[in-house]
This record gives sequence, structure tokens and C-alpha cells, in this order.
Amino acid sequence: NAGVTQTPKFQVLKTGQSMTLQCAQDMNHNSMYWYRQDPGMGLRLIYYSASEGTTDKGEVPNGYNVSRLNKREFSLRLESAAPSQTSVYFCASSGAGPQYYEQYFGPGTRLTVT
Amino acid sequence: KQEVTQIPAALSVPEGENLVLNCSFTDSAIYNLQWFRQDPGKGLTSLLLIQSSQREQTSGRLNASLDKSSGRSTLYIAASQPGDSATYLCAVVNNAGNMLTFGGGTRLMVKP
Repeated sequence: NAGVTQTPKFQVLKTGQSMTLQCAQDMNHNSMYWYRQDPGMGLRLIYYSASEGTTDKGEVPNGYNVSRLNKREFSLRLESAAPSQTSVYFCASSGAGPQYYEQYFGPGTRLTVT
Repeated sequence: KQEVTQIPAALSVPEGENLVLNCSFTDSAIYNLQWFRQDPGKGLTSLLLIQSSQREQTSGRLNASLDKSSGRSTLYIAASQPGDSATYLCAVVNNAGNMLTFGGGTRLMVKP
């Protein structure tokens, strides 16, 4: 039981390049989330998916797109990376929405945009 | 907009001391509050989840309390150990159940 896994662990992009961050969970959770963590700003929600086939914007969605590929997988795409998107990105999942169940986090992806 | 504040931002204590970490939030209409631990360069590990109807939760040497009406939660760590050194984050879920708002964290160092 791996929990929440993320790939890649590290990535360096040039401004304007695109990439997709992958996330998968094996806990049969309905809800999945993407956060970014920045020094002095804490963790902020980018997008979430309450169930397979649905996605909603969080606090900082601009510049990102997401896909809930199936119940296990939730990807985050940067179409045209900008230096302001340099951050650590965390994926999380929970059983039935954040109001009842604990969120479980992946190890993170450290992204640098030059 | 919900704002979550954690005080102190950093704390250094000798091994064996009991300590309290504080978390306050501005909107008391929350569904639950969760405490996490984050080690340097790592992801977040859930420590305790308190539902809005509960007053406290305990796990081993950890005890978290919640006073929703005053917008406060505390994490009590008994008999601290060097292995407890980490950043501790609290987060609250909004009334709609679709947004988790994090505090800035308390960076704890326990000296042997």
C-alpha cells in the first residue's frame, strides 16, 4: 500500500515550457487535491476533485489545468510555465470529502522555472 | 476569507519538556481541523483530525483541542523528544467542505 505517489520528484523547466505532474493513490479515496507550498505563503489549494469526473478551482488556479483520469489518478498541467510557478507541489487524497476524512499527502514535486 | 494563524512561528525546547502549539482561525464555521507534521524536504503526515462537534483528540503523546466558538486549537506534546523536531501545521476545512486553509506552521526543535 503506497498511499499517495507523485512523479516526478524534481523538475527544472524553462519559461514557456509545459509539463504534467502526476499523482496516484491506492486507498480508494473519492477526493483528490493539488496544493502548492511557498515560503511565507504556506500551503494553498490549486484545484480539487470531489469525485471521479469532477474538478473545481481552489484558491490559486490561474496558470494550471487538471484532469481526474480515473478514481486513482489526478494530474496537474502547466501549459506555459512561469517563474512564479516555482514551488513545491503536493497532491493529497481523502475518503469522502474534506469535511469528514483526513487528507493524506504525497511526497511532493519540487519544480523550478528559470 | 478564512485566515489561519499559528503562534509561535518557531520554538526551541530541551528534551523532556511538555509544550503547546497554538492555532487560531477567523471564521468559526468550520467542518473540522487537522494537525499535520512536516519534516524538511518531505510531505505532510496527518497527526490528528478533530471534527467540529468534538472538543479534543488524543494520539499517544499528542493531544489536540478545539474551541470552535473562540476560533482556537492547541496541540499539546508531552515529554518532547528530539524526533519530534519538525514543522507542525494546522488546517481547517470551510463550512462548504471544499476548501482546506493552512496556517503558516510552527517550526519545532527539541534539543537533546
